Amino acid sequence: DGGITQSPKYLFRKEGQNVTLSCEQNLNHDAMYWYRQDPGQGLRLIYYSQIVNDFQKGDIAEGYSVSREKKESFPLTVTSAQKNPTAFYLCASRSQGQSEAFFGQGTRLTVV
Amino acid sequence: AQSVSQHNHHVILSEAASLELGCNYSYGGTVNLFWYVQYPGQHLQLLLKYFSGDPLVKGIKGFEAEFIKSKFSFNLRKPSVQWSDTAEYFCAVRFNNAGNMLTFGGGTRLMVKP
Repeated sequence: DGGITQSPKYLFRKEGQNVTLSCEQNLNHDAMYWYRQDPGQGLRLIYYSQIVNDFQKGDIAEGYSVSREKKESFPLTVTSAQKNPTAFYLCASRSQGQSEAFFGQGTRLTVV
Repeated sequence: AQSVSQHNHHVILSEAASLELGCNYSYGGTVNLFWYVQYPGQHLQLLLKYFSGDPLVKGIKGFEAEFIKSKFSFNLRKPSVQWSDTAEYFCAVRFNNAGNMLTFGGGTRLMVKP
């Protein structure tokens, strides 16, 4: 089936450790996005990528890093520099032009 | 920077009541507009979208939204809500001058009482 897969669904990490969240899509979409969802704040854009080997910072990129080595994959690394990493992270993709974004199931990261 | 505002953070309605959720954005240029819904424990799903043409857009599950360019608004409506409409609703805007960036509002949590 075509879609977006985020893994793992739940992730626990100790404070000070980097952690990488996976996002894979088989929809042949060019653009991919990472959002962070916090209660009452909606979805805030962390990073997005329009094509392979290219990505741009969103509104809250500090403390995060991404790569886009393959069209299908857009992993997000939450670094130890991120002050408040505990959150629900959503990955999305869309094709170019006028189209909607499709979302993965999300990863809930808890840093203890 | 462009922004998207949803005025109602929490809405509680009884079944059969009418629903209208507000969405405004801050940009005078061309936009693509979306409403997404997130049911408890599920991923975000598209309810409806507007790109061009008729400003009254009909979506799934009886939802509709009206694009009013002069008011920079894209309010979501449903004439009669059901308990199963309990969810969080997000307005999203793709601003034409921002490439592929998709900006979301803060969300509105709707609870429908049976």
